Amino acid sequence: DTEVTQTPKHLVMGMTNKKSLKCEQHMGHRAMYWYKQKAKKPPELMFVYSYEKLSINESVPSRFSPECPNSSLLNLHLHALQPEDSALYLCASSQDPGGQETQYFGPGTRLLVL
Amino acid sequence: LAKTTQPISMDSYEGQEVNITCSHNNIATNDYITWYQQFPSQGPRFIIQGYKTKVTNEVASLFIPADRKSSTLSLPRVSLSDTAVYYCLVATYSGAGSYQLTFGKGTKLSVIP
Repeated sequence: DTEVTQTPKHLVMGMTNKKSLKCEQHMGHRAMYWYKQKAKKPPELMFVYSYEKLSINESVPSRFSPECPNSSLLNLHLHALQPEDSALYLCASSQDPGGQETQYFGPGTRLLVL
Repeated sequence: LAKTTQPISMDSYEGQEVNITCSHNNIATNDYITWYQQFPSQGPRFIIQGYKTKVTNEVASLFIPADRKSSTLSLPRVSLSDTAVYYCLVATYSGAGSYQLTFGKGTKLSVIP
């Protein structure tokens, strides 16, 4: 199984809402990633979890809160988002953390903040 | 931090070989070069990775000159299904087990019948 799954596929939320994005992989990968991708732009790294611990936070605003409950799951909790946070949120995983590791991406969650 | 530069777009006819070059002038000694393909409304998909010289797999080749300041993704005999955005990624080790993962701006390849 080389699949990374993400739910929901689409999400519309107001600026006062609290929502969560979920990501799951069953490849035994020990690194998991959250990326944000705006239209016609490359993915931008937000967070990296290595062995279930947050190892990289790319100066992401606190209204985005990642969580790694176990080695297969990665959540991104959203609170008090702004319309400019509307984007495709991509989850990825790799066997190990490290720049040479192949990342496997999920299909993404398309988020619209009203 | 290795900054990457790619052409914004390329057009090719079906059956032709396509070469997409990525410039990474300040690549560091331990940095790897990885290429990903992305279709609309999907996550990127790994194509190929290299460190130096030439790497080939079942879908592409990657040419990296000795100075490693650029890399060229080669897609043989493209088909309409190869229409996608292609990203060059150089991962830079930034110390304490941490990496900077910065995608290039991407090259939109359009394959014409």
